[in-house]
Amino acid sequence: GQQVMQIPQYQHVQEGEDFTTYCNSSTTLSNIQWYKQRPGGHPVFLIQLVKSGEVKKQKRLTFQFGEAKKNSSLHITATQTTDVGTYFCAGTAGQFYFGTGTSLTVIP
Amino acid sequence: NAGVTQTPKFQVLKTGQSMTLQCAQDMNHEYMSWYRQDPGMGLRLIHYSVGAGITDQGEVPNGYNVSRSTTEDFPLRLLSAAPSQTSVYFCASSVRDRGVYEQYFGPGTRLTVT
Repeated sequence: GQQVMQIPQYQHVQEGEDFTTYCNSSTTLSNIQWYKQRPGGHPVFLIQLVKSGEVKKQKRLTFQFGEAKKNSSLHITATQTTDVGTYFCAGTAGQFYFGTGTSLTVIP
Repeated sequence: NAGVTQTPKFQVLKTGQSMTLQCAQDMNHEYMSWYRQDPGMGLRLIHYSVGAGITDQGEVPNGYNVSRSTTEDFPLRLLSAAPSQTSVYFCASSVRDRGVYEQYFGPGTRLTVT
């Protein structure tokens, strides 16, 4: 069946370092979404990418959608303690398929 | 707007008991869904609905039933609770706005089955 994997599962960084999480799907996706979940909270929508090769930026966050629409990445520049949480990708292929998530810890 | 609300916040069940998790949204969203979240496994789709009267199965539907009699409500029923259903359950709603299906999540229900 459909699988969406994310790596790494955990990442610890010093504040100010960069962070990247990667999302890979076993099949082609119609679009990809990214969500952030703070500890103890619920997922919150960040962005949606639709086009092959699309790149979008939100302040220090850069999102990419692969040319084959089977992979995506989220890059955070100069992490801050407010970036702590778990980042999920979610691909659409008839229904939503969430990735396994990357838990980010930022050490002050 | 209250957004997406879920009740209860916490629940403990014994094996074999049944119960209904409530979900409501006041945003007039067509699409609603239920997910379960387990450590290391992300969110897995249980059931979803694209409008009142229409439901469909997600990745992990076994042991759960849903119905969608109104646009606002989308309850999830556990027929006979099992320890494997211990999880955090999230309800979400979304609508297509300029091609974007942003999902709004409720605060979650933490369920323990003993």
